[in-house]
Amino acid sequence: DTGVSQNPRHKITKRGQNVTFRCDPISEHNRLYWYRQTLGQGPEFLTYFQNEAQLEKSRLLSDRFSAERPKGSFSTLEIQRTEQGDSAMYLCASSSLTSGGADTQYFGPGTRLTVL
Amino acid sequence: AQSVTQPDIHITVSEGASLELRCNYSYGATPYLFWYVQSPGQGLQLLLKYFSGDTLVQGIKGFEAEFKRSQSSFNLRKPSVHWSDAAEYFCAFTGGGNKLTFGTGTQLKVEL
Repeated sequence: DTGVSQNPRHKITKRGQNVTFRCDPISEHNRLYWYRQTLGQGPEFLTYFQNEAQLEKSRLLSDRFSAERPKGSFSTLEIQRTEQGDSAMYLCASSSLTSGGADTQYFGPGTRLTVL
Repeated sequence: AQSVTQPDIHITVSEGASLELRCNYSYGATPYLFWYVQSPGQGLQLLLKYFSGDTLVQGIKGFEAEFKRSQSSFNLRKPSVHWSDAAEYFCAFTGGGNKLTFGTGTQLKVEL
């Protein structure tokens, strides 16, 4: 079990540019989540996948954001035409559905995005 | 509205002292509750969770938490804090078994 990995760890971009982040979940996990965390706040849910299906998207996920999980393994989160308000830590988590009624999410180290 | 409140933004304790971090939730049924810890610039590490059963749950690093339905609380405790416990602590819950709702966090400082 190598844990959840995210790349890159840091990204600095200029306003208006597109950026893409990658998340590799724990190998046997079928659920994958994206969260955004701004300074001084707790993480906020963005979207989640079960296998390759995107099952829920938050209102926070504007049309400039798109997430994919094409083969049910790794996922990408793309932000188009970045704005300074997109500066945040983007966290990925993965889990597997259990019989206990809720799954336990394990988080990656995050990607820190700075938009200049 | 479903929410989690962590009333204390910052807490400072002396090394070796006991610790209690407060967490209150607002939800119409029994939630699934979690505590995570985050070191600067890092992701979140799971400390412990409550799904059902015994209301006192044990976690990693000597932490425990107690679910109190009557008070809608899930406070985190540790009998003796170590300097390495300095970090930010987040309480979170889910009602339907998927997305987590987090509190705003409590920043713990440990004085040597």
